[in-house]
Amino acid sequence: QKEVEQDPGPLSVPEGAIVSLNCTYSNSAFQYFMWYRQYSRKGPELLMYTYSSGNKEDGRFTAQVDKSSKYISLFIRDSQPSDSATYLCAMNRGAQKLVFGQGTRLTINP
Amino acid sequence: GAVVSQHPSWVICKSGTSVKIECRSLDFQATTMFWYRQFPKQSLMLMATSNEGSKATYEQGVEKDKFLINHASLTLSTLTVTSAHPEDSSFYICSADTSGESYEQYFGPGTRLTVT
Repeated sequence: QKEVEQDPGPLSVPEGAIVSLNCTYSNSAFQYFMWYRQYSRKGPELLMYTYSSGNKEDGRFTAQVDKSSKYISLFIRDSQPSDSATYLCAMNRGAQKLVFGQGTRLTINP
Repeated sequence: GAVVSQHPSWVICKSGTSVKIECRSLDFQATTMFWYRQFPKQSLMLMATSNEGSKATYEQGVEKDKFLINHASLTLSTLTVTSAHPEDSSFYICSADTSGESYEQYFGPGTRLTVT
């Protein structure tokens, strides 16, 4: 079993829709949870990171962590075509290497 | 802030030659840098962790004699692919850690290596 599971998609939604991206994990020691956005042939861009459980909001993006369920989510409100990319979740225990999900390919259709 | 650059952005080389890829943190000092490899439509695979002034720590299955890593300063790490073969063709990405705890990593734009 992989430490981090993420549905690779592809996920296609119309412009303006709310997008929900999710990851599950098995290691209860993970404390830091990150979301990265990666455009084709580019390096990943850090969107948000969250420590432990709870919500964090940044503009149209909201990250949620539920440690009891070992489940994290990223919500994108008012999605735009420019949000089309691959979204990678990542997590670690602090001072440890990041463990990445497989990435979800997202397309926002105008 | 937190900008990481890589050079070159793409390179084509012949089988048997060596290729050096540079990773620089432009506006901060990075105690730790990481090197990843990514195949098409796949996630990032950590190759090694590089700390300034010390030997890199390689992940299991990564040949340290083939992928030479040097972290000469707090702003520069290099990856040299020695005696490259076509199966080494991939997208190589570095990242730099600003937090000291590895959770706030900023990635470079990547280097696409094609070995013919």
